[in-house]
Amino acid sequence: DGGITQSPKYLFRKEGQNVTLSCEQNLNHDAMYWYRQDPGQGLRLIYYSQIVNDFQKGDIAEGYSVSREKKESFPLTVTSAQKNPTAFYLCASSIGTVPVAFFGQGTRLTVV
Amino acid sequence: QQQVKQSPQSLIVQKGGISIINCAYENTAFDYFPWYQQFPGKGPALLIAIRPDVSEKKEGRFTISFNKSAKQFSLHIMDSQPGDSATYFCAASNDYKLSFGAGTTVTVRA
Repeated sequence: DGGITQSPKYLFRKEGQNVTLSCEQNLNHDAMYWYRQDPGQGLRLIYYSQIVNDFQKGDIAEGYSVSREKKESFPLTVTSAQKNPTAFYLCASSIGTVPVAFFGQGTRLTVV
Repeated sequence: QQQVKQSPQSLIVQKGGISIINCAYENTAFDYFPWYQQFPGKGPALLIAIRPDVSEKKEGRFTISFNKSAKQFSLHIMDSQPGDSATYFCAASNDYKLSFGAGTTVTVRA
């Protein structure tokens, strides 16, 4: 089955710790994205990558970092510099000129 | 600031009725307008999309109406069913980046 796999589904971390969220796709899509979803605010773009070894900041990149060493993988690290990390994080991918075609099932991060 | 404004925040419709969600944008560089459907605890799924050179697009019970001069677009869900109960997001894009509306929670009462 082709798709986007995000893991884990739920993640709990203590304040001040870095945490990495996994995103893998087997759709052979060139572009991958990370969005953050908060209640009542829609989705906001954190980072995106159009090709391997290249990525760009989105609207809310502060406190986050990414890497794109393989076409299939686009992990997101939430660092201790992110002031309000508790949120629902969504990974997505696309091909061609369609900006976002497929989303993963999300990771709900709770920082306590 | 939100580049795409979506309304209403929530709506309730009877089974068989029509659900209408509206979105407005300011950036005339936007060239792709998709709608997404999201169920609780799941990622959004692309529902239907339109480009600004088309005024209307229909796929099954879902129709997008697009008014380029007014910079507005809307989603109509015809013959609404309980399975349509979800949160719907409009979005607008240019250069690979999507700006999302805040979402509309639709509840279809049987």
